[in-house]
Amino acid sequence: GENVEQHPSTLSVQEGDSAVIKCTYSDSASNYFPWYKQELGKRPQLIIDIRSNVGEKKDQRIAVTLNKTAKHFSLHITETQPEDSAVYFCAALYYGGSQGNLIFGKGTKLSVKP
Amino acid sequence: EAGVAQSPRYKIIEKRQSVAFWCNPISGHATLYWYQQILGQGPKLLIQFQNNGVVDDSQLPKDRFSAERLKGVDSTLKIQPAKLEDSAVYLCASSYTGLGVGEQFFGPGTRLTVL
Repeated sequence: GENVEQHPSTLSVQEGDSAVIKCTYSDSASNYFPWYKQELGKRPQLIIDIRSNVGEKKDQRIAVTLNKTAKHFSLHITETQPEDSAVYFCAALYYGGSQGNLIFGKGTKLSVKP
Repeated sequence: EAGVAQSPRYKIIEKRQSVAFWCNPISGHATLYWYQQILGQGPKLLIQFQNNGVVDDSQLPKDRFSAERLKGVDSTLKIQPAKLEDSAVYLCASSYTGLGVGEQFFGPGTRLTVL
């Protein structure tokens, strides 16, 4: 079945450094790739998403790149701040049934040290 | 706008007991999802509703889990009987459009502990 692999599982960076999280997916028909941020004990919140008709999307310090040929996409956070510390989940839309469903990666725990 | 509401926030039960969770999606959102999030993992879809109809329940353990959305608004998820491995956070989400391409807004979740 559809699978989304996410790496690394934990990531520790110094404040001001960049952080990169990578995901690969298996269904070549997937065309929507959101990223969610989940702070401890809180709900997941969408931070950025990308559709398959573009290769890169930026929103201030956050960017996502997509390589459809290689079936992988990445989240880039620049100038990290302590408030960026959270678990980040990537997801890919899978058309296994009549409607698309999001398949999530296992998450990356990002720690930004001041 | 008001967000997705869920209750209860926490629930502790013993194995073989029953439990029910409630979700109220964002007003006007036709699509509602129930996810199970086991500690250290990403959310896993259990069931998806479009209005009051089920569009995907392929991952729902139907021998013990059931869900309904009778009037196309609120939804309940029930587990009967619960097992130890059901301990998880149950997240409800809703989106304006179907087909999974619209942003999904998550509720705060219900943390279930089965002893």
